[in-house]
Amino acid sequence: QSALTQPASVSGSPGQSITISCTGTNSDVGSYNLVSWYQRHPGKAPKLMIYEGSRRPSGVSSRFSGSKSGNTASLTISGLQAEDEADYFCCSYAGVTTYVFGTVTKVTVL
Amino acid sequence: QVQMQESGPGLVKPSETLSLTCTVSGYSISSGHFWGWIRQPQGKGLEWIGSINGGESTFYNPSLSGRVTMSVDTSNNQFSLNLTSVTAADTAVYYCAREEAVENWFDPWGQGTLVTVSS
Repeated sequence: QSALTQPASVSGSPGQSITISCTGTNSDVGSYNLVSWYQRHPGKAPKLMIYEGSRRPSGVSSRFSGSKSGNTASLTISGLQAEDEADYFCCSYAGVTTYVFGTVTKVTVL
Repeated sequence: QVQMQESGPGLVKPSETLSLTCTVSGYSISSGHFWGWIRQPQGKGLEWIGSINGGESTFYNPSLSGRVTMSVDTSNNQFSLNLTSVTAADTAVYYCAREEAVENWFDPWGQGTLVTVSS
C-alpha cells in the first residue's frame, strides 16, 4: 500500500475557495466511495470533516465539501476563513478491512 | 462526549517492544465500534496500523503484520498496541481513534503521543 498523494501546501486569501486533491489508485480511492477527510490544528486531535467522499458530519461547516473523480478525491473549502488554517489529510478504505492515508496538506490563509 | 487519550513511554530502545494504551471515556469500547491505531512519522504521511473491536477481532496493516498485536481491556475501557522489534523507522506520533467500520471513518481521535526509537 502506498500513501495517497496530496499537495504539501495550498494557500488562499480569506473568502476564496481552495481545493486539496488526494490521489490514490484503482485499489483504493478508485474502487470505493469511502474517502474521509480530516482537519488537524497544531497540537490538537484530528477532526473528521468529510466521510463517504462527500458527506459532512453534524457540526461541520457547509463550507467544506468533498468529491471524487476516478482515482482522485478532493476537498474544497469555500469562503476561506482564518480558522481554516490547519493540516488536512485524506483516508481511503483499501479493501480487506485496510486503510490508506494521505501525505498531509498544510493550508495557509494569506 | 467521546474522548480518547494515548499513553505510554516516549522513548523505546531499538529491537525492543513499543507499548501504548488508549483510554476511552464517554463510550464503552464493547459497544460495537472498532478502535484503531494510526501513526505519522515526522515529515511523512499517516499510516494505519490496525484496528480491534470489543470482541477482539483484529485487522492489521499487512506491512506491519507479524510485529503488531492489539488487545482490549473492557474493564478499564482501554485498548492497547504492541509493536515488536522496533527500529528508528518506527519513530512517529501515534494516534488512537474510534473507527466506524461501515462508513469507514475515524472519529474522535486522541491528540497523539510521540514515540522515539533510540538507544
